Amino acid sequence: SAVISQKPSRDICQRGTSLTIQCQVDSQVTMMFWYRQQPGQSLTLIATANQGSEATYESGFVIDKFPISRPNLTFSTLTVSNMSPEDSSIYLCSVYRGSSGNTIYFGEGSWLTVV
Amino acid sequence: AQSVTQLDSQVPVFEEAPVELRCNYSSSVSVYLFWYVQYPNQGLQLLLKYLSGSTLVESINGFEAEFNKSQTSFHLRKPSVHISDTAEYFCAVSEGNTPLVFGKGTRLSVIA
Repeated sequence: SAVISQKPSRDICQRGTSLTIQCQVDSQVTMMFWYRQQPGQSLTLIATANQGSEATYESGFVIDKFPISRPNLTFSTLTVSNMSPEDSSIYLCSVYRGSSGNTIYFGEGSWLTVV
Repeated sequence: AQSVTQLDSQVPVFEEAPVELRCNYSSSVSVYLFWYVQYPNQGLQLLLKYLSGSTLVESINGFEAEFNKSQTSFHLRKPSVHISDTAEYFCAVSEGNTPLVFGKGTRLSVIA
């Protein structure tokens, strides 16, 4: 199994500020994804983090609001910019590791509350 | 494009009764199917998965799911539920190197 470390695990943020979430994996992975889970909702894919190039965003998510970096095969960051209360969510990092049969692993999540 | 439908948003059931949480998917290619569980105020945990081989897969805590290709379903079952099974259950599908697509979730409430 992959070990995924996300930081911060929880935070309370002021409206209008930005926060960067880090995702560190214990070994190189080919694909990394960022999801959002709003309160009482399911998980929605924000983007695929591509190593060495721009992230691929899903419909409804834009780079200006959710800039993503992936400088190498074990690390990625997601920034939530100019936060509003609607951004209060759990943000999850996920990685794909094909060695164990197309299994996808999730971090513990970063629980953000915007006040 | 792949999609997942969880037909029941909430399922109340008495303790020790059986339960089935329904999941149907839409995809034009071979898929991998997953069930995740999220206990109150906790993160996501993988419950079980179907990748290939036997269509019946089991978890360590008594849940099982059966992949039915003709009905494009992957329903989750447990013959006797416990209070501790109260949680949100998410069905998800992947086409291999694609990210998981999740259903909207089913809240299982076990009543004493």
